[in-house]
Amino acid sequence: GAGVSQSPSNKVTEKGKDVELRCDPISGHTALYWYRQSLGQGLEFLIYFQGNSAPDKSGLPSDRFSAERTGGSVSTLTIQRTQQEDSAVYLCASRPPGGPQHFGDGTRLSIL
Amino acid sequence: AQTVTQSQPEMSVQEAETVTLSCTYDTSESNYYLFWYKQPPSRQMILVIRQEAYKQQNATENRFSVNFQKAAKSFSLKISDSQLGDTAMYFCAFMKEEGNTPLVFGKGTRLSVIA
Repeated sequence: GAGVSQSPSNKVTEKGKDVELRCDPISGHTALYWYRQSLGQGLEFLIYFQGNSAPDKSGLPSDRFSAERTGGSVSTLTIQRTQQEDSAVYLCASRPPGGPQHFGDGTRLSIL
Repeated sequence: AQTVTQSQPEMSVQEAETVTLSCTYDTSESNYYLFWYKQPPSRQMILVIRQEAYKQQNATENRFSVNFQKAAKSFSLKISDSQLGDTAMYFCAFMKEEGNTPLVFGKGTRLSVIA
């Protein structure tokens, strides 16, 4: 497709389980970002990747959160030992050189 | 660190009327970008308009325009001839010009367009 694709659209899991969220950016976009949007809040930056450079992990809230970007394309955000406060919408965005960020539809994560 | 403040949690406007959403920001950067994003219930963040800080001319996209006051660090969004499809959350966002730094978002304004 032409846009940023995220999967799954919705994920419900039990507290303590690990989850993986996937982001497929727009082809040719060199930068990729993950944000978290808690209920009624704005977007909180988590991590971003730029080409082959080391990712900026400064927004990750704890060491239970990690992300990878394989081959400069698809990215996976992993949350280990999920907690109820991890419930949120996780949004991915990609950006071409010099252009604005384009967002996916997000993954709504619910921790029971 | 940069901060973005949207002081209006909720607003409403009659269809076909004009509404202005407020945004202020704080930064020590001289070169940066400002954005307004729209988020309908579908969750997707849609870029409405962007402004380069070095440009004095206010950006315009059809019914959407901004009032950018760099000295006052103010970046308001005006929606003219409001339509029911404009109902959404609106987020103001800041990005440094240098590198591919992430967006810094305000907490959003929920806009309801009333028929």
